[in-house]
Amino acid sequence: SQQGEEDPQALSIQEGENATMNCSYKTSINNLQWYRQNSGRGLVHLILIRSNEREKHSGRLRVTLDTSKKSSSLLITASRAADTASYFCATDAATGGGNKLTFGTGTQLKVEL
Amino acid sequence: NAGVTQTPKFRVLKTGQSMTLLCAQDMNHEYMYWYRQDPGMGLRLIHYSVGEGTTAKGEVPDGYNVSRLKKQNFLLGLESAAPSQTSVYFCASSRPGLAVIQETQYFGPGTRLLVL
Repeated sequence: SQQGEEDPQALSIQEGENATMNCSYKTSINNLQWYRQNSGRGLVHLILIRSNEREKHSGRLRVTLDTSKKSSSLLITASRAADTASYFCATDAATGGGNKLTFGTGTQLKVEL
Repeated sequence: NAGVTQTPKFRVLKTGQSMTLLCAQDMNHEYMYWYRQDPGMGLRLIHYSVGEGTTAKGEVPDGYNVSRLKKQNFLLGLESAAPSQTSVYFCASSRPGLAVIQETQYFGPGTRLLVL
């Protein structure tokens, strides 16, 4: 079963606005990662936050993690049309080896000019 | 470096036919993975490998087999395709370890498979 559920499923904003996506998961994790997928392409890693971290920044990205609520959020500030893509959270439960990830269902972000 | 490549890009099969999807990576990664992506389902892990000659089942392994005869290649086989296997298949690779760069997975461009 899916580990992560994302909210909202779809988000449409104007260029320059901020976009916030949320992810909830079910079990204890080692880390949580966010990936981006442009239409018809493979996934690209954006940022990783470990279970002992609460917030992380990378450029226009800000990720928070609340392990007590088993949830994470991804904030994209000052969005651009090029940010239009699907965004997925993925959790590493650190069980069974192999750095296996369990992906959420994704948020489709559309940034309009 | 080409990164992770997948062949073919697109394939149409009839029910009952077999095929093999090829994944190749030139980053000397130990770990490789096969996922399927269906609308509204995100990515689900089919099989994975932690090294040459080793494979393990993921979340949805039924109907698929894999082989990792060479470190750089990971093959996904469908012995008797079914319409339920219509999907987009992604291969990924990563290194073992606990550094961020090692836990990141690098994805191929995907193979679209239609089973009629």
